Amino acid sequence: TAGITQAPTSQILAAGRSMTLRCTQDMRHNAMYWYRQDLGLGLRLIHYSNTAGTTGKGEVPDGYSVSRANTDDFPLTLASAVPSQTSVYFCASSDSIGAGGHEQFFGPGTRLTVL
Amino acid sequence: GQNIDQPTEMTATEGAIVQINCTYQTSGFNGLFWYQQHAGEAPTFLSYNVLDGLEEKGRFSSFLSRSKGYSYLLLKELQMKDSASYLCAAFDSNYQLIWGAGTKLIIKP
Repeated sequence: TAGITQAPTSQILAAGRSMTLRCTQDMRHNAMYWYRQDLGLGLRLIHYSNTAGTTGKGEVPDGYSVSRANTDDFPLTLASAVPSQTSVYFCASSDSIGAGGHEQFFGPGTRLTVL
Repeated sequence: GQNIDQPTEMTATEGAIVQINCTYQTSGFNGLFWYQQHAGEAPTFLSYNVLDGLEEKGRFSSFLSRSKGYSYLLLKELQMKDSASYLCAAFDSNYQLIWGAGTKLIIKP
């Protein structure tokens, strides 16, 4: 079982360009999340999805959009990248939101550099 | 505001015991997680506490005091492979995880 996969592993992107980070899980988890991790800061939630067809904004949603067309996939799109979006992006999933104790499983991450 | 505080870095000796502390302030509280993250890798789940007390899982134990907004992760019989960052995270009233910046644990032989 692969768990959660992310693509690409790393990317260098010119400012102003758009990009979609892909995330796929095979655990049939209802909830999925996108985080960014920056040096010296905790993981920050960008967007989340409780279940297929629904999405919500996290702590730092500006400049990012997501969709959840099915259970397995949760792509993150940067419409017009800026250097401040340089970060490591982690996708995660859990069995549900709203029931304590459901651990989140993380993908391997995408390291994005915006120049 | 919501906040998680934990030390930035700690150093310990192989075979010893280390305690990593975490204090939290969240709007509502629905449990606390500890994750381990090796450099360049994804975080992996270690423990979850929602009730006061100590939860033991092999060499790792986690403690919670809800009244004090405090948790710690205790690592015993330290091994070199335990060198990693340890992330504390608390569920707020909306079951959104609020993450600390992590404690980098350096193990010396």
